[in-house]
Amino acid sequence: DAMVIQNPRYQVTQFGKPVTLSCSQTLNHNVMYWYQQKSSQAPKLLFHYYDKDFNNEADTPDNFQSRRPNTSFCFLDIRSPGLGDAAMYLCATSAYGGPELWTYNEQFFGPGTRLTVL
Amino acid sequence: QKEVEQDPGPLSVPEGAIVSLNCTYSNSAFQYFMWYRQYSRKGPELLMYTYSSGNKEDGRFTAQVDKSSKYISLFIRDSQPSDSATYLCAMSMSSGGGADGLTFGKGTHLIIQP
Repeated sequence: DAMVIQNPRYQVTQFGKPVTLSCSQTLNHNVMYWYQQKSSQAPKLLFHYYDKDFNNEADTPDNFQSRRPNTSFCFLDIRSPGLGDAAMYLCATSAYGGPELWTYNEQFFGPGTRLTVL
Repeated sequence: QKEVEQDPGPLSVPEGAIVSLNCTYSNSAFQYFMWYRQYSRKGPELLMYTYSSGNKEDGRFTAQVDKSSKYISLFIRDSQPSDSATYLCAMSMSSGGGADGLTFGKGTHLIIQP
């Protein structure tokens, strides 16, 4: 089945130790997103790639970076994790084709990676 | 301004009851309105989407959007214990959030008692 895969599902890191989270997709979607979801809070968009174009949300900390080496893979790098970065990180994809209002392009989510910072 | 308000609950109802879940929002530019269901430790899955104002029905689920009031609702009829989950409303200015991502509510934790 076509899907969005995130690895690892659970990641434990130490305060200040860089960590990389991985997302891959078999849907061949052109847009990939990273959301941060803290406990009992709304998922919050960090950034997204529209094809190779990187779009960073204005309030995403500089500590967070992303790479998309090809259509299928996208990585979230946290350069110096703090205790406040402990959260579920969700990857999503969509096949966005433009501003047409009569179409809907569903955003598909992966299972998430739960990050613990010690 | 991107802000969506949603009561986090928990909302506990007996099996078979009609459930009403709601969100309010402040950004009048939102055009697409979605409801996602999220089970514990899983990613959100899309239940329904609606474009602009109006109603949409899919089986036991009905989504309503009132753009004039900036208010959206999800109704679940004949609720089942398997419906127990967190329900997140989400909205976007472009189709599927393609150009700007989705703005989510905090989610309502729903418990259906057998």
